[in-house]
Amino acid sequence: AQKVTQAQTEISVVEKEDVTLDCVYETRDTTYYLFWYKQPPSGELVFLIRRNSFDEQNEISGRYSWNFQKSTSSFNFTITASQVVDSAVYFCALTGWDDYKLSFGAGTTVTVRA
Amino acid sequence: GAVVSQHPSWVICKSGTSVKIECRSLDFQATTMFWYRQFPKQSLMLMATSNEGSKATYEQGVEKDKFLINHASLTLSTLTVTSAHPEDSSFYICSARGRDRAYEQYFGPGTRLTVT
Repeated sequence: AQKVTQAQTEISVVEKEDVTLDCVYETRDTTYYLFWYKQPPSGELVFLIRRNSFDEQNEISGRYSWNFQKSTSSFNFTITASQVVDSAVYFCALTGWDDYKLSFGAGTTVTVRA
Repeated sequence: GAVVSQHPSWVICKSGTSVKIECRSLDFQATTMFWYRQFPKQSLMLMATSNEGSKATYEQGVEKDKFLINHASLTLSTLTVTSAHPEDSSFYICSARGRDRAYEQYFGPGTRLTVT
């Protein structure tokens, strides 16, 4: 069985602060994919990143960065210099290599105050 | 990128009636479509997986007679909530994947169902 844990339910920061969202996963698969999605108040899921289990390189995309640590089964997400538009619910998700069923974490609500 | 649409975006129906939600892949052929349900302030829970031309596979605890899923073509899947009750009120989201880059799921914008 696959499981994704996002321990932080809510995070509130002031604009320009950095915020890190934790994600820990469990899987018996040796190969798998990890994802982060953003869900703004409109409800539509926005894809942020996909990482496969072979690739442990960290990634940076603008103000977003991801730290994948296979040894600790973690895939953390950092927003640098947060902005009000970053306010949303962020989901970490996991899928196996060939079944493609996404298991979502509980989500972390990020509120960025001006 | 690949686009998935859902219709309607929101619907209000009376208890006991049925409502159909459509999920369409607009610019690719969806070999598999997934239906998720999301209650307020909760995560997405997979309800069922449907492959074109075959019966849907439901997750444990999901009533297949209540949530009818049809994947009649490579671009359309429908979810029908039969004899809806207020507890069925939720946000329903579909996703689709194609043959290429099969690990990618493209999400629809969701349908908010309110049963009165």
